[in-house]
Amino acid sequence: DGGITQSPKYLFRKEGQNVTLSCEQNLNHDAMYWYRQDPGQGLRLIYYSQIVNDFQKGDIAEGYSVSREKKESFPLTVTSAQKNPTAFYLCASTLDGHSNQPQHFGDGTRLSIL
Amino acid sequence: SQQGEEDPQALSIQEGENATMNCSYKTSINNLQWYRQNSGRGLVHLILIRSNEREKHSGRLRVTLDTSKKSSSLLITASRAADTASYFCATDPSGYSTLTFGKGTMLLVSP
Repeated sequence: DGGITQSPKYLFRKEGQNVTLSCEQNLNHDAMYWYRQDPGQGLRLIYYSQIVNDFQKGDIAEGYSVSREKKESFPLTVTSAQKNPTAFYLCASTLDGHSNQPQHFGDGTRLSIL
Repeated sequence: SQQGEEDPQALSIQEGENATMNCSYKTSINNLQWYRQNSGRGLVHLILIRSNEREKHSGRLRVTLDTSKKSSSLLITASRAADTASYFCATDPSGYSTLTFGKGTMLLVSP
């Protein structure tokens, strides 16, 4: 079955530590996105990538970094500069990043601070 | 910034009743989309309505769009307990599928 796989499902971060969230898709989609969701809130865009080796900042990119070395993979690193990282992180993809396309989502990673 | 705002924040109904959720937004859009999220899961796309469309149906779902009022509504007819979830509207102002989401409506359907 085609889809988006996020791992791990739960992740804990210690003070001063960088952690990396994995997002893999086998939908052959060009565009991928990372969102952050806080309790009772909507999704906010962190980073997005419309093609391999290229990515753009979203609304809340500070304290995060990404890479897009392969079409299938778009990992997100939460750095120690992100002072409030506790949230639910969602990865999504679309066919080619153009308009009028639905986004396909993974099942998320819940990040907490130890 | 969050462009879409759903109303109501929470809705509780009985099975078989209809559920209506509203979404307002601020800037011009290419399309508006509705998504569903079950607790602790990712979002599932329900329906996309383009800016030149006024109404769209998909099964028990009916979506309307009024660009003059910058608003949309999602109607779920003959609701079921399995419809219990949060529902989000999302707008695409840029044309690059970088969606802006509202805070959602939490729907509870009781058997």
